[in-house]
Amino acid sequence: SQQGEEDPQALSIQEGENATMNCSYKTSINNLQWYRQNSGRGLVHLILIRSNEREKHSGRLRVTLDTSKKSSSLLITASRAADTASYFCATVLNSGYSTLTFGKGTMLLVSP
Amino acid sequence: DAGVTQSPTHLIKTRGQQVTLRCSPKSGHDTVSWYQQALGQGPQFIFQYYEEEERQRGNFPDRFSGHQFPNYSSELNVNALLLGDSALYLCASSLVTDRNTIYFGEGSWLTVV
Repeated sequence: SQQGEEDPQALSIQEGENATMNCSYKTSINNLQWYRQNSGRGLVHLILIRSNEREKHSGRLRVTLDTSKKSSSLLITASRAADTASYFCATVLNSGYSTLTFGKGTMLLVSP
Repeated sequence: DAGVTQSPTHLIKTRGQQVTLRCSPKSGHDTVSWYQQALGQGPQFIFQYYEEEERQRGNFPDRFSGHQFPNYSSELNVNALLLGDSALYLCASSLVTDRNTIYFGEGSWLTVV
């Protein structure tokens, strides 16, 4: 079963706007990761945030993690048409394995 | 440095047939995981291999089996194919000592007709 659930399922914005995607999960985690997937292609790792971290930045990406609410958000600032893709959050549990449990993803469409 | 490579890219099979998908992990990686991604869904974990043994398995029937070779490459086998097995199959590699650095291949698109 899916561990994470992203919200919204789909998001349509204009270039230059910010995009915010949210993710909720069910069990305690070691870390949470965000991935990007262009249509029908492989997953590209964007950013990882550990369970003892609250916020992390990477370029135009900002990720927050609230372990008390079991939720995370991904903010893409100053979006570009090239950001159009599906975005997934995935959790790694404390089991010692590298197994990822994914949500259903958010489809982001950035219009020029 | 080659990343994770998968073959074939696309294939079409008939219900009841068997399929083998192949994965070469990123150079230096020793752990291979397989995921199934149905259309419009997130990837679901099938199983993980390390030292040629299945370390962990997701909620998939025994029709799904795998193998890891001494060079760390891996195969995913699916027997008695069902229409519902149509999906993108993704291979991911990592190091057992660094479970947070995971690389994905481009996937194999399987269509069962």
